Amino acid sequence: AAGVIQSPRHLIKEKRETATLKCYPIPRHDTVYWYQQGPGQDPQFLISFYEKMQSDKGSIPDRFSAQQFSDYHSELNMSSLELGDSALYFCASSPPGLAGRGSYEQYFGPGTRLTVT
Amino acid sequence: AQSVTQLGSHVSVSEGALVLLRCNYSSSVPPYLFWYVQYPNQGLQLLLKYTTGATLVKGINGFEAEFKKSETSFHLTKPSAHMSDAAEYFCAVSLGSNYKLTFGKGTLLTVNP
Repeated sequence: AAGVIQSPRHLIKEKRETATLKCYPIPRHDTVYWYQQGPGQDPQFLISFYEKMQSDKGSIPDRFSAQQFSDYHSELNMSSLELGDSALYFCASSPPGLAGRGSYEQYFGPGTRLTVT
Repeated sequence: AQSVTQLGSHVSVSEGALVLLRCNYSSSVPPYLFWYVQYPNQGLQLLLKYTTGATLVKGINGFEAEFKKSETSFHLTKPSAHMSDAAEYFCAVSLGSNYKLTFGKGTLLTVNP
């Protein structure tokens, strides 16, 4: 079965550089979520999109932005990178729910490991 | 708002022994509850979920969990641990469909031969 695809899997950047992480949801999934997992930490919700519109926002720094495109893939753009941004970034997707407003099941990708030096 | 507390950041059991990972939640509305497993350097895999209906839910790899509203708990159990169960386990809560997941701090399960 198709899974969530994230690219790149590993990324090394220097401080103050920018990074773009990409997420390709499972086909026919219309909701995408982004989470950040710091070393030894639990995943923290950043932002989500439903049908290309932002649906919820968590603890996402102003230096970060994200969007969902017409083909439902999503990109997380990170600028002015800081050492503290080093983390595993997960994307998850959900299929349409019975009410047409998303499903409670989130399927996670393998993550992108970002290292800021 | 919702929150999750996992008691015990590290649990160690012998192979073949009972596995019990504890999770308590706080939610202003009836929650959806989940257990995810994360193997080293890998993503999060859904073990099982509770949304409505039967309070005892069975998941993959022989795991099950029981939703106890009166205790606000959703503990994860497995009758007999296997070496391959060694991983980090996260309990998570959601307020409903299309909602973000709020995770607990995780419990690292070690299985000794």
